[in-house]
Amino acid sequence: LAKTTQPISMDSYEGQEVNITCSHNNIATNDYITWYQQFPSQGPRFIIQGYKTKVTNEVASLFIPADRKSSTLSLPRVSLSDTAVYYCLVGASGSGGYQKVTFGTGTKLQVIP
Amino acid sequence: GAVVSQHPSRVICKSGTSVKIECRSLDFQATTMFWYRQFPKQSLMLMATSNEGSKATYEQGVEKDKFLINHASLTLSTLTVTSAHPEDSSFYICSARDRLGGQGYEQFFGPGTRLTVL
Repeated sequence: LAKTTQPISMDSYEGQEVNITCSHNNIATNDYITWYQQFPSQGPRFIIQGYKTKVTNEVASLFIPADRKSSTLSLPRVSLSDTAVYYCLVGASGSGGYQKVTFGTGTKLQVIP
Repeated sequence: GAVVSQHPSRVICKSGTSVKIECRSLDFQATTMFWYRQFPKQSLMLMATSNEGSKATYEQGVEKDKFLINHASLTLSTLTVTSAHPEDSSFYICSARDRLGGQGYEQFFGPGTRLTVL
């Protein structure tokens, strides 16, 4: 299982762009990179998933370099409601079924007014 | 979008009693569901992988006789905490993956169940 490493915490002012980087040095060929957001006392919520290069949806962008050993979640113009813990997960489904993933420490993002 | 529900959302019980938590995929079928436990200010810890129609696979250190998992259908998995003790108090979260999903690893998480054992 690919282990992920993220900063424990980050602070940002409202309206700024926030970039959270995740390291996953032993990512496997079939692994995808998925980011989740979790608010206190709630289940994680899917944000974005990618395999390589860049993926963008309505809430975030995900940048993955060619070697895929890291990834960066970019949140444009954060607001106070983006204060949450963000988790980077690496895994894939395989011929043997759905591979389990391990949650890392996550990054606690605090958005400041 | 894919929705996963959990019931109950919170439960308080006396030490020694058993508590059952249900996890349902509402608009998709899930061959595999996962159960996690999360203590305050900590990350999610995978407890077990629940496969429809077969025995669950437990992570190291998780007692299978204490945390009974049943995945009787493609939309329902249950976690029963038997003879609960205060140290079992935690936030329990389930997740499921659409069996028709692609190669990625998008899990859909339930809202969680807060268990407090007195």
